[in-house]
Amino acid sequence: AQSVSQHNHHVILSEAASLELGCNYSYGGTVNLFWYVQYPGQHLQLLLKYFSGDPLVKGIKGFEAEFIKSKFSFNLRKPSVQWSDTAEYFCAVNGPQAAGNKLTFGGGTRVLVKP
Amino acid sequence: DSGVTQTPKHLITATGQRVTLRCSPRSGDLSVYWYQQSLDQGLQFLIQYYNGEERAKGNILERFSAQQFPDLHSELNLSSLELGDSALYFCASSVQDRGLYNEQFFGPGTRLTVL
Repeated sequence: AQSVSQHNHHVILSEAASLELGCNYSYGGTVNLFWYVQYPGQHLQLLLKYFSGDPLVKGIKGFEAEFIKSKFSFNLRKPSVQWSDTAEYFCAVNGPQAAGNKLTFGGGTRVLVKP
Repeated sequence: DSGVTQTPKHLITATGQRVTLRCSPRSGDLSVYWYQQSLDQGLQFLIQYYNGEERAKGNILERFSAQQFPDLHSELNLSSLELGDSALYFCASSVQDRGLYNEQFFGPGTRLTVL
C-alpha cells in the first residue's frame, strides 16, 4: 500500500525566509507526485506536479519541488516566502498501477508566515 | 476555479440523520473521486467512479454510499450520521480512471457538521 510522510507538522517562519517541506513516499512502481495547498477555509489547489522528465519541477507562486527517486522524496521549496503563503501544504502520490487512481495524501504541514 | 462544483457548501444536521452531497465534474471528465478531510484522519480517499461504475474503494464506511449518474454527476450519501462524520468532503474529477498524466481537479468541498 502506498503511504506518504510529511515530516513537519507545523512550520513557523518570517517573511523572506526560505521554506523547505519534506515529503517521502513508499510505492514501488511509477508514481505521479503532487503538492497541494489549502489556504484557510478554502479548497485544495494544485501547486505543482511531477509526472516524468526533469525531476525539478516549477509550480505556481514561486514554488518548486525536486523528485529524488533514490530517496523516494519530493520536497517542496520556496526561496522567499510571503505572508500570503500561510496555508496547509499536502504532498500526494498516486500510482497508475493501483486499482483506480486514488491520491494518497500526507498528513499535511501547516505553515505560518509571520509578517 | 477548477470547474468541479459541489453542493451544498455547508450542511448542519443531527446525529442519526441522512444527507446527500452532490458533485458535478469538470466538463469532459469521466472519473469522480470522493475524499474526506477530518482533523483526526487527515485527507482520505473514499471512493472512485468512472463513467457510472465503481472503480475503487478506500476507507469508506458501510453507512456511506455513492453513485455516479448518466450525466456523470455524483452523489455521496451519508446515513446514520455520527458526530465523528463531521468533516470536509471533497469531490475531484479527472478525464480517465487511471494512468499517467491523469490529474485530479478538486471541488470547493462540502463542510458537514453533525450536532
